[in-house]
Amino acid sequence: GEDVEQSLFLSVREGDSSVINCTYTDSSSTYLYWYKQEPGAGLQLLTYIFSNMDMKQDQRLTVLLNKKDKHLSLRIADTQTGDSAIYFCAEAYMDSNYQLIWGAGTKLIIKP
Amino acid sequence: KAGVTQTPRYLIKTRGQQVTLSCSPISGHRSVSWYQQTPGQGLQFLFEYFSETQRNKGNFPGRFSGRQFSNSRSEMNVSTLELGDSALYLCASSSVSGQRNSPLHFGNGTRLTVT
Repeated sequence: GEDVEQSLFLSVREGDSSVINCTYTDSSSTYLYWYKQEPGAGLQLLTYIFSNMDMKQDQRLTVLLNKKDKHLSLRIADTQTGDSAIYFCAEAYMDSNYQLIWGAGTKLIIKP
Repeated sequence: KAGVTQTPRYLIKTRGQQVTLSCSPISGHRSVSWYQQTPGQGLQFLFEYFSETQRNKGNFPGRFSGRQFSNSRSEMNVSTLELGDSALYLCASSSVSGQRNSPLHFGNGTRLTVT
């Protein structure tokens, strides 16, 4: 069935770039999303990309999409302590009536 | 614009009881989705309501039910609670049914503990 996979943890030093990766299985995906969850809070939409794009940049965030490899990444430049959170990748595709399929989330740990 | 509001924030119940959780969506949003989040299973879709009708349903037993009112507010009910129902229950609203280019806006969730 449809699946979205992410690494569970990523540790980076403050000031470095963080790259969070996600792979998905359904080739008919239309939109791919990145959400952020801080402790004790709900999920916050960070950015999303349409499947006919290969890159989207928004301030410190860069999303790269490789449709051939079904690989999505989120790059956070100049990582700060406030970026500590769990990052979820999700895809929406036509056959599921656009219901989101979620990854398990990547916990970003910032080292001083 | 006020965000998605979920009440209560925390809830402690015992096995066998039933519970009702409430969600008020962003003004103007007619779609409300419910998710269960646990450390072991991650984010699991429960159901989605749009204009008072259930549009989509996840793979949860019939003990989990919901409804939506004419003002788009939604409630979720869990009957005969089990220990495994302990989780963070998240509500999300969007302007249309199905995501497409209308992203979900989440509330902060209700933390349910079943003892």
